[in-house]
Amino acid sequence: DVKVTQSSRYLVKRTGEKVFLECVQDMDHENMFWYRQDPGLGLRLIYFSYDVKMKEKGDIPEGYSVSREKKERFSLILESASTNQTSMYLCASNPQGSYEQYFGPGTRLTVT
Amino acid sequence: GENVEQHPSTLSVQEGDSAVIKCTYSDSASNYFPWYKQELGKRPQLIIDIRSNVGEKKDQRIAVTLNKTAKHFSLHITETQPEDSAVYFCAAGPFGNEKLTFGTGTRLTIIP
Repeated sequence: DVKVTQSSRYLVKRTGEKVFLECVQDMDHENMFWYRQDPGLGLRLIYFSYDVKMKEKGDIPEGYSVSREKKERFSLILESASTNQTSMYLCASNPQGSYEQYFGPGTRLTVT
Repeated sequence: GENVEQHPSTLSVQEGDSAVIKCTYSDSASNYFPWYKQELGKRPQLIIDIRSNVGEKKDQRIAVTLNKTAKHFSLHITETQPEDSAVYFCAAGPFGNEKLTFGTGTRLTIIP
């Protein structure tokens, strides 16, 4: 059974703080994704990674960066959190050549 | 890039009736079209998908139809039950690229 975990379910940070969101998958998947989910806007891709140390910008990368030093772990970094980054963040993964994405439980981030 | 539009944003259906959710996409290179279901407080999960070489696919009470010429695809749920209440997301992606573009979601409520 595929398991994708995220470091926190809820997170509250102050404006200007550096924020790290961690995602870990235990199925040796090559691809990992970070989305943000906002009401009425659906799931929007921030960044994805198709291999260790490889990354590609998604549709809304501004204000975010990512790190993938190990295959199982994909981190999303908010260099200087702002209130408009308050959102639900979802991580997902899948193996290369497959299309079904397996999602983590999400992190609800509030920036005050 | 790909743009996926999804309608309606909310849908209320009497238990036992059918529900239809529609999506359109813009990129003719897209040929993989999954549907994800997200129950309240839970992660999105794949419920059905279709590839461009098929016009219709059915799995028990759910079915997906695809019209490549018109660039639209639809999710059909028959004999709806209370457990069908959820947010449904369509998505589109090009074959050979695991990156997906999601629609904005439809909140389906089944009225007992």
